[in-house]
Amino acid sequence: DVKVTQSSRYLVKRTGEKVFLECVQDMDHENMFWYRQDPGLGLRLIYFSYDVKMKEKGDIPEGYSVSREKKERFSLILESASTNQTSMYLCASRTPGQGSSTEAFFGQGTRLTVV
Amino acid sequence: GEDVEQSLFLSVREGDSSVINCTYTDSSSTYLYWYKQEPGAGLQLLTYIFSNMDMKQDQRLTVLLNKKDKHLSLRIADTQTGDSAIYFCAERMDSSYKLIFGSGTRLLVRP
Repeated sequence: DVKVTQSSRYLVKRTGEKVFLECVQDMDHENMFWYRQDPGLGLRLIYFSYDVKMKEKGDIPEGYSVSREKKERFSLILESASTNQTSMYLCASRTPGQGSSTEAFFGQGTRLTVV
Repeated sequence: GEDVEQSLFLSVREGDSSVINCTYTDSSSTYLYWYKQEPGAGLQLLTYIFSNMDMKQDQRLTVLLNKKDKHLSLRIADTQTGDSAIYFCAERMDSSYKLIFGSGTRLLVRP
């Protein structure tokens, strides 16, 4: 059974704190993604990594950074949390290529509240 | 540019068919997906269709693709209360890593 695991289901942090969201996958996937999900806006891509130590900005990277030191782990970092970063964060992974085998698998999400 | 649009809400009676619609703007999209998100959970792939197909059927699910109008639909036959969830349409080009998602349609199934 394939697994994408996010380290926390719920987090509450204070404004200005540095926040780490961790994601681990056990499928040996090259590509990993961080999205945020907000009502009425769907999923917006923050950053993605197409391989170890490789990263690219998504559509809304401001205020975030990422780290991919090992293939199975992709970390999202909020350098100085702000209230407008209160959201549901979803991690996904996939293997590059064609067809259904390249579907993206998602973690269960981390609901972050910044107070 | 890239944009995927869906209506936000759909309510149906149990046993009826549900049709969730999606429009996209990128004509070079190769893969189109439907994901389901149950409360408190991540997204789960329901089905997908390649851009060279018009229709795909998988048990109670039927996907229709109109490339000319850039319109994708998901039909759920005999809708059950367990189908209540948010459904996301997504597109991806063959050459791209990125999945572009719509805003999601919340389906409510009434008993």
